[in-house]
Amino acid sequence: DAGVTQTPRHEVAEKGQTIILKCEPVSGHNDLFWYRQTKIQGLELLSYFRSKSLMEDGGAFKDRFKAEMLNSSFSTLKIQPTEPKDSAVYLCASSLTGEDTQYFGPGTRLLVL
Amino acid sequence: GEQVEQRPPHLSVREGDSAIIICTYTDSATAYFSWYKQEAGAGLQLLMSVLSNVDRKEEQGLTVLLNKKDKRLSLNLTAAHPGDSAVYFCAVSVANTNKVVFGTGTRLQVLP
Repeated sequence: DAGVTQTPRHEVAEKGQTIILKCEPVSGHNDLFWYRQTKIQGLELLSYFRSKSLMEDGGAFKDRFKAEMLNSSFSTLKIQPTEPKDSAVYLCASSLTGEDTQYFGPGTRLLVL
Repeated sequence: GEQVEQRPPHLSVREGDSAIIICTYTDSATAYFSWYKQEAGAGLQLLMSVLSNVDRKEEQGLTVLLNKKDKRLSLNLTAAHPGDSAVYFCAVSVANTNKVVFGTGTRLQVLP
């Protein structure tokens, strides 16, 4: 079975651009999570979907970050407009509803200049 | 809310030695505990998970100990090898919340 896939693996953007990160969860998983990982803050939850419904949108990240789940097998994270402080690794994870184990994708490394 | 502390932040051991990483948590309702390994440029790979009714679990050279009284979770790599060099994260969650709190990570270096 394919695990969680994320594209692109690397992204370089200029300040003020719009970027879209993509994630495909493990087939059959209903829960999907977006995290941001930095050395200083560690792993921060950005969004959490259950059966395509947004359950949590990560409060502090609302203004420029928007995650969507258009169908059960595809999610996007849009950052608009990007700022240099958004430079981080963005991780997507999925899990079966009712199970706590999350399976992570390889991440997208974003650099905003 | 749940607070998780992980230590040490950096750990260097010789090949064949054991490496121990510890996490402490605050919420007594925490019911699910996991350890993840993250290699350079990759996502988090699940190593092992335990429920709160398990005190000890061993798999493939890894031992997870859970001390609920002290709210302490540990990961012991019994005979580390260079391929174990990575960053390790603990993760804890309260039952039925889907809210996972991660530790801050331990960068393990295994020297030949």
